[in-house]
Amino acid sequence: AQSVTQLGSHVSVSEGALVLLRCNYSSSVPPYLFWYVQYPNQGLQLLLKYTSAATLVKGINGFEAEFKKSETSFHLTKPSAHMSDAAEYFCAVTHTGGFKTIFGAGTRLFVKA
Amino acid sequence: NAGVTQTPKFQVLKTGQSMTLQCAQDMNHEYMSWYRQDPGMGLRLIHYSVGAGITDQGEVPNGYNVSRSTTEDFPLRLLSAAPSQTSVYFCASSYGLAGGRVAGELFFGEGSRLTVL
Repeated sequence: AQSVTQLGSHVSVSEGALVLLRCNYSSSVPPYLFWYVQYPNQGLQLLLKYTSAATLVKGINGFEAEFKKSETSFHLTKPSAHMSDAAEYFCAVTHTGGFKTIFGAGTRLFVKA
Repeated sequence: NAGVTQTPKFQVLKTGQSMTLQCAQDMNHEYMSWYRQDPGMGLRLIHYSVGAGITDQGEVPNGYNVSRSTTEDFPLRLLSAAPSQTSVYFCASSYGLAGGRVAGELFFGEGSRLTVL
């Protein structure tokens, strides 16, 4: 069975500070991992994905995430936060043979001026 | 490009009423799914389909029915609405493995906000 745990339902950073959103997964088979972003009153958009190629994955808007198998983690980072990054972020997992994508509970990012 | 289209965007029901949330995609995706989003719980998978005529249950299927008669459409039916089904519902679609692409990269509709009184 697959599961995703996002540590911290809310994260607040100052503009220009490092963004770190944590995600740990559980999967019995090699996973595909995703980060999605949701802006208010919108659907989810793909931010980046890990599909067993490079362990450091770069996404849109300056975000990146590193797959660490030994830690079963896929944390999302951005060196310098911008006000426009304020949104809710979801980590998700599926596996190479499957179609069921399971989401974490989400982390809402607040960016202070 | 329409992508994934959901209707209606907003709906208010009384307990016991029935309704269907419509979802259509024009990307020829094999895989379609329905999620509900509730505060603090992320997105939970209700039902999914890996192709026309094939559906399966997700994490929270009770109270919902689906069918997949065409590749494009995947309606979600509430047969007897309950207040616990008040939520925002998202339809999502994805390429299947046959297309040589990565399964699991989901394309979402804009959501349908349902209130059950």
